[in-house]
Amino acid sequence: GAVVSQHPSRVICKSGTSVKIECRSLDFQATTMFWYRQFPKQSLMLMATSNEGSKATYEQGVEKDKFLINHASLTLSTLTVTSAHPEDSSFYICSARVAAYEQYFGPGTRLTVT
Amino acid sequence: KNEVEQSPQNLTAQEGEFITINCSYSVGISALHWLQQHPGGGIVSLFMLSSGKKKHGRLIATINIQEKHSSLHITASHPRDSAVYICAVRDMRFGAGTRLTVKP
Repeated sequence: GAVVSQHPSRVICKSGTSVKIECRSLDFQATTMFWYRQFPKQSLMLMATSNEGSKATYEQGVEKDKFLINHASLTLSTLTVTSAHPEDSSFYICSARVAAYEQYFGPGTRLTVT
Repeated sequence: KNEVEQSPQNLTAQEGEFITINCSYSVGISALHWLQQHPGGGIVSLFMLSSGKKKHGRLIATINIQEKHSSLHITASHPRDSAVYICAVRDMRFGAGTRLTVKP
């Protein structure tokens, strides 16, 4: 099946720094990628929808200036957490849509902000 | 009320048992997804359904669009099936998940 990778898988950073997470579709082109966040013992929450070559659409309550999303190509989307704080510590997951009903998930990135 | 409701929240079964996880939703959808998340966090997409029934190995997923309900069944459950099972609709509105533990 189709593969979506994320890098890094784990990252620890200091409060106030920025962290970039990459999401790549390895063997297919994805016009749309999604970014999710999951806090411990909670379900995933959609943060934003990213279409290649256009600005991301953010869900209500998600700060677009804090969570910068770039979808520069059909195989790569990046999420940058700017000026990270401990409350941003979470599990970040991306997914890539191939067709209307085909969507594949990345393995996730665990961010810890100290 | 959440757009996506799953039941049960937690489920413990003995190896070999038949398992059913239910998902009800309140919004119009074009497809429903069943996902599996293991303790390490990685997510695997099990099924995408827009109608009827799909089967993959010991897993079966069904959906009734009129009743806005879907079920995920696991036949001959095994400890390696222990995971959180999540249903999602529309642009990924997620249920809270069902934590399944299968004991040997």
